[in-house]
Amino acid sequence: AQSVTQLGSHVSVSEGALVLLRCNYSSSVPPYLFWYVQYPNQGLQLLLKYTSAATLVKGINGFEAEFKKSETSFHLTKPSAHMSDAAEYFCAVSPSILTGGGNKLTFGTGTQLKVEL
Amino acid sequence: DGGITQSPKYLFRKEGQNVTLSCEQNLNHDAMYWYRQDPGQGLRLIYYSQIVNDFQKGDIAEGYSVSREKKESFPLTVTSAQKNPTAFYLCASSISSGGGQPQHFGDGTRLSIL
Repeated sequence: AQSVTQLGSHVSVSEGALVLLRCNYSSSVPPYLFWYVQYPNQGLQLLLKYTSAATLVKGINGFEAEFKKSETSFHLTKPSAHMSDAAEYFCAVSPSILTGGGNKLTFGTGTQLKVEL
Repeated sequence: DGGITQSPKYLFRKEGQNVTLSCEQNLNHDAMYWYRQDPGQGLRLIYYSQIVNDFQKGDIAEGYSVSREKKESFPLTVTSAQKNPTAFYLCASSISSGGGQPQHFGDGTRLSIL
């Protein structure tokens, strides 16, 4: 069974600093990977997805993530944090077409990002 | 605008009562999903439907039921058998059930016990 681990349930950065949110997956075959953002009392919004094309994926709001098979990682970064980036971020995985299992998502437990002045 | 509408936004349940959460989408998506979100636990899959008149249990289906009579609608019933229903419930859809399709989410329903 696949799983996702997000290191750090809370991350705090200064405005203008680099944002790094960590995600590691567990799967024998590289799965599809996603990052979502959630603002308070709202649903999830897709930031970006990896579907076995380019390993460096660019998303919305200046975020990007790099798929590293050797490290089974898909960390999310943004060069310069903005106050509006404060939210909860979820990494998720769905099975590769090679392993089957449809489009069910398995989520990490989330990372709350705080941006300070 | 296309999207997913969940209602109500807030819902209260009495002991022994069944309650139904509504989820409607106008994205013409085949697949729909229900998740439960608890603090510090991420999202867990309750039920999913790949196509009309078909649905499967997810990881935590006990105490819940669903139906999929129309493509655009996927209501979730929280039954009295669900002893800990207090949570944030999110409905999602994807264009198909094939792998790698991003899921689009509604704004959720927060269920509490009276």
